[in-house]
Amino acid sequence: GAGVSQSPSNKVTEKGKDVELRCDPISGHTALYWYRQSLGQGLEFLIYFQGNSAPDKSGLPSDRFSAERTGGSVSTLTIQRTQQEDSAVYLCASSLVEGYEQYFGPGTRLTVT
Amino acid sequence: KQEVTQIPAALSVPEGENLVLNCSFTDSAIYNLQWFRQDPGKGLTSLLLIQSSQREQTSGRLNASLDKSSGRSTLYIAASQPGDSATYLCAVRPFSGGGADGLTFGKGTHLIIQP
Repeated sequence: GAGVSQSPSNKVTEKGKDVELRCDPISGHTALYWYRQSLGQGLEFLIYFQGNSAPDKSGLPSDRFSAERTGGSVSTLTIQRTQQEDSAVYLCASSLVEGYEQYFGPGTRLTVT
Repeated sequence: KQEVTQIPAALSVPEGENLVLNCSFTDSAIYNLQWFRQDPGKGLTSLLLIQSSQREQTSGRLNASLDKSSGRSTLYIAASQPGDSATYLCAVRPFSGGGADGLTFGKGTHLIIQP
């Protein structure tokens, strides 16, 4: 069946602009996760949704970052007033339920110029 | 704060060799541990997941072990092939109790199998 999909695959934006990244999890997966992978930092966890709710937003790097999930399916990660340090690959993962194996999408490569 | 370390950072071996990748973590209160591979420019592919109550998992030529009390896991690759060349990542899920549920990753081992 279809895996986790993310769009766009690549995004180049100017500093100060807002961007929206989209994640479409595997059908039926109730848990959804966002991660960021940047050079030298490795993979860091950003936020997790169980259904439509995010119990803990403390992993988001700053208040310029927000995420939502509607209908228990698609999620969007929004970065406002982008900065150069936001340049990274943003990865989304889903799992059947909390605690189960996580399956990752191909990622969105964000470049802020 | 949980920290995950992978050794070695890079490894290059001839085709056919058996090899071991190491992962250690500082907080033994984990729910599970997952091994992934990442090919250049691609997302992560899950290889094996070991629950905290398990000691090992096997899939084909791969075997992962877990020693939770000592904070260690190993990924054993038998009869390595050039197609095994990738970055291998180890990640642990905390025993969250309903809080944040994200994985904590190591920085990976970059593996090259020489034909």
